[in-house]
Amino acid sequence: GAVVSQHPSWVICKSGTSVKIECRSLDFQATTMFWYRQFPKQSLMLMATSNEGSKATYEQGVEKDKFLINHASLTLSTLTVTSAHPEDSSFYICSAGVYNEQFFGPGTRLTVL
Amino acid sequence: AQTVTQSQPEMSVQEAETVTLSCTYDTSESDYYLFWYKQPPSRQMILVIRQEAYKQQNATENRFSVNFQKAAKSFSLKISDSQLGDAAMYFCAYYGGATNKLIFGTGTLLAVQP
Repeated sequence: GAVVSQHPSWVICKSGTSVKIECRSLDFQATTMFWYRQFPKQSLMLMATSNEGSKATYEQGVEKDKFLINHASLTLSTLTVTSAHPEDSSFYICSAGVYNEQFFGPGTRLTVL
Repeated sequence: AQTVTQSQPEMSVQEAETVTLSCTYDTSESDYYLFWYKQPPSRQMILVIRQEAYKQQNATENRFSVNFQKAAKSFSLKISDSQLGDAAMYFCAYYGGATNKLIFGTGTLLAVQP
């Protein structure tokens, strides 16, 4: 149980295009979903927290207009990187939270050319 | 604000030996949770062990155990009988009700030597 999927697992796009990453909790309903960014050999950096049906709460320094988060249901959250640039290249990880525990997706590697 | 500190960027252990990874944290909350996560080269985050702050007994999961010292705000992870598959990045994390989010340490990269 407690499986979280992410799609796609990797994506390469051209600079200026938008990319959507999906995060799904497959066998449970998550009250909250989280989006992280991770650079090589570094820790996870929380980007935003989202609750179903409400606006996401972004961490300080994260551009909400660049990283659009939609939490349409208790099992699906999406992160859209708008007008992506090479500096947005990174590993993006989502997690689905149930009370004090988070279950992590396998991550999405984004490369912007 | 809550913080989590992992002072060992890298550690190495011989196969079948025991290794201890250190973690300290700072908080003013009395009720919280502590976690150790493993991130292998696949980069999938895997929960290794969790500890509720109100429990005095140290959590154990097979070869993994913690030494939770609440007064000292210390939460170390001991891996016994290390295996090659234990090689990974290990993150210590804190969760408290005030922030409702996980706060991660900087990680310790563990190498297991055959």
